[in-house]
Amino acid sequence: EAGVTQSPTHLIKTRGQQATLRCSPISGHTSVYWYQQALGLGLQFLLWYDEGEERNRGNFPPRFSGRQFPNYSSELNVNALELEDSALYLCASSLLGQGALDTQYFGPGTRLTVL
Amino acid sequence: DQQVKQNSPSLSVQEGRISILNCDYTNSMFDYFLWYKKYPAEGPTFLISISSIKDKNEDGRFTVFLNKSAKHLSLHIVPSQPGDSAVYFCAASALGNMLTFGGGTRLMVKP
Repeated sequence: EAGVTQSPTHLIKTRGQQATLRCSPISGHTSVYWYQQALGLGLQFLLWYDEGEERNRGNFPPRFSGRQFPNYSSELNVNALELEDSALYLCASSLLGQGALDTQYFGPGTRLTVL
Repeated sequence: DQQVKQNSPSLSVQEGRISILNCDYTNSMFDYFLWYKKYPAEGPTFLISISSIKDKNEDGRFTVFLNKSAKHLSLHIVPSQPGDSAVYFCAASALGNMLTFGGGTRLMVKP
């Protein structure tokens, strides 16, 4: 069974540009979560989507947004990129839509570098 | 304000000995705690969890202890193996809400 996949693996952008990161959950999983891991820090929760709806949002500005498609894949968009947005962005999926009570399976991440 | 803290950025242990990874939290509303393990170039993988109604949960070589009064969580690995070398993250949630992660501890198990 394929795990969570993310694309691209690496992404280099300049300040002010927009970045789009993609995530495909494990087959049958309806929930997708996005996390940011900046250098030297733990994972910071960004967004949770379930059944196409945004269920929860972390403490990030509105220029971080996303969506979930009917096939449960998801996109994370970061507008007006700033240098401090440089980080590893991790996507996770879970089966039951129970948020933190569900086991979350992580993808390998997208490394975003903002120059 | 870091609600979940892992104060040791790294830990080195001899193969066969016990590894103890520690985690402290400040939010008394947290009622569910997890440990994840992360290898380089891979996403974190779930290891073990514990509900606040328990003070211990075991799964093979891994045991998680919860001390609610001290707001302290620990992961014991016995015996430690070289393949356990990874970054370990503790995480917590309140009422099934979003996970809050600690900064991670890099465990190195020497053969």
